[in-house]
Amino acid sequence: DTGVSQDPRHKITKRGQNVTFRCDPISEHNRLYWYRQTLGQGPEFLTYFQNEAQLEKSRLLSDRFSAERPKGSFSTLEIQRTEQGDSAMYLCASSLKSQGSGYTFGSGTRLTVV
Amino acid sequence: SQELEQSPQSLIVQEGKNLTINCTSSKTLYGLYWYKQKYGEGLIFLMMLQKGGEEKSHEKITAKLDEKKQQSSLHITASQPSHAGIYLCGAEPPIYNQGGKLIFGQGTELSVKP
Repeated sequence: DTGVSQDPRHKITKRGQNVTFRCDPISEHNRLYWYRQTLGQGPEFLTYFQNEAQLEKSRLLSDRFSAERPKGSFSTLEIQRTEQGDSAMYLCASSLKSQGSGYTFGSGTRLTVV
Repeated sequence: SQELEQSPQSLIVQEGKNLTINCTSSKTLYGLYWYKQKYGEGLIFLMMLQKGGEEKSHEKITAKLDEKKQQSSLHITASQPSHAGIYLCGAEPPIYNQGGKLIFGQGTELSVKP
């Protein structure tokens, strides 16, 4: 297993366009998390899944954001009608459903909205 | 909600010097994680602490969790340029006892001058 994979690594888009990011977690991990990180800040929680069920969404996740994990494996995060304020690093992490099992992060997708 | 405060926010040290980064929680910590991040990349797991008074070491990095489980410190001995990066502490909120989401501090940016 090569860890958590995110694609693409970088995305530049024009304001108003839609973008979709993909995350492939560690195969035996049943939990998958999405975070957003802006320059000089720690990662902010967006949402997480246990298998295919989305268990929690942050108030940061506006109605322009949607995340799916249809088969309990990979996940996608879509941002509709992107705004300049959406420019950030989007991080994905996965873990097992047990405290202290650890969270493994991907390399992130850096989004720039111009 | 639980908040994590890291200090200092940034740190510049001469190679070979020791340094300490602190992470203070507004509530009792049930799992405290330390990660390192290179600019523009994902998070690399360093250590996880759960028990009050616990201390763990990896190479020249030592992390401690105080007895009251509200503060953790990360100590680097004889710093090297390879230690440069952003150090992040993350904690699981107490309401989650089966591997819930991580809440992060704002990070400490470390620069090591050769």
